Amino acid sequence: DVKVTQSSRYLVKRTGEKVFLECVQDMDHENMFWYRQDPGLGLRLIYFSYDVKMKEKGDIPEGYSVSREKKERFSLILESASTNQTSMYLCASSLDTPNTEAFFGQGTRLTVV
Amino acid sequence: AQRVTQPEKLLSVFKGAPVELKCNYSYSGSPELFWYVQYSRQRLQLLLRHISRESIKGFTADLNKGETSFHLKKPFAQEEDSAMYYCALSPNRDDKIIFGKGTRLHILP
Repeated sequence: DVKVTQSSRYLVKRTGEKVFLECVQDMDHENMFWYRQDPGLGLRLIYFSYDVKMKEKGDIPEGYSVSREKKERFSLILESASTNQTSMYLCASSLDTPNTEAFFGQGTRLTVV
Repeated sequence: AQRVTQPEKLLSVFKGAPVELKCNYSYSGSPELFWYVQYSRQRLQLLLRHISRESIKGFTADLNKGETSFHLKKPFAQEEDSAMYYCALSPNRDDKIIFGKGTRLHILP
């Protein structure tokens, strides 16, 4: 059973703080993703990584960075949190093969005050 | 540009009635298409993919390349089908997955 685990279910941070969201997968997947999920906007890709130390910008990378030092772990970093980054953040992983399924974490609801 | 369009934010259907969730895509190549579902308080999960041509929980989806559509259908809605549904596209030879904005399906008793 594939497990994608996000370190926190709920987070409350102050404006200007540096925030780390952690994601770990246990199925040796090459690809990992960070999305944010907002009502009416669906899932928007922030960053994805197809290998260790490799990363690609998604559709909304501004204000975010990522780190993938180990294959199983993909971190999302908010350099200086702002209120417009209040959202649900979803991590996902998949194999690097065609038509492959993405497995999602349970989500982290981040509130920036 | 690669894009997935789900025109309905909310779809309310009576139990036992047919369901059709619309999805249109924009992509010049041969995409891989998926439907994902998120039930209340559960994580997002794959419902079906076009390559499999399978029926999952009574749902089917046919890829129509001429109309660039991948609509999700079920002949008889059940209350447990109430959920958020996302259509997704994975461009060929590319690793990212692009999602639509989602449609909330509400099954009325």
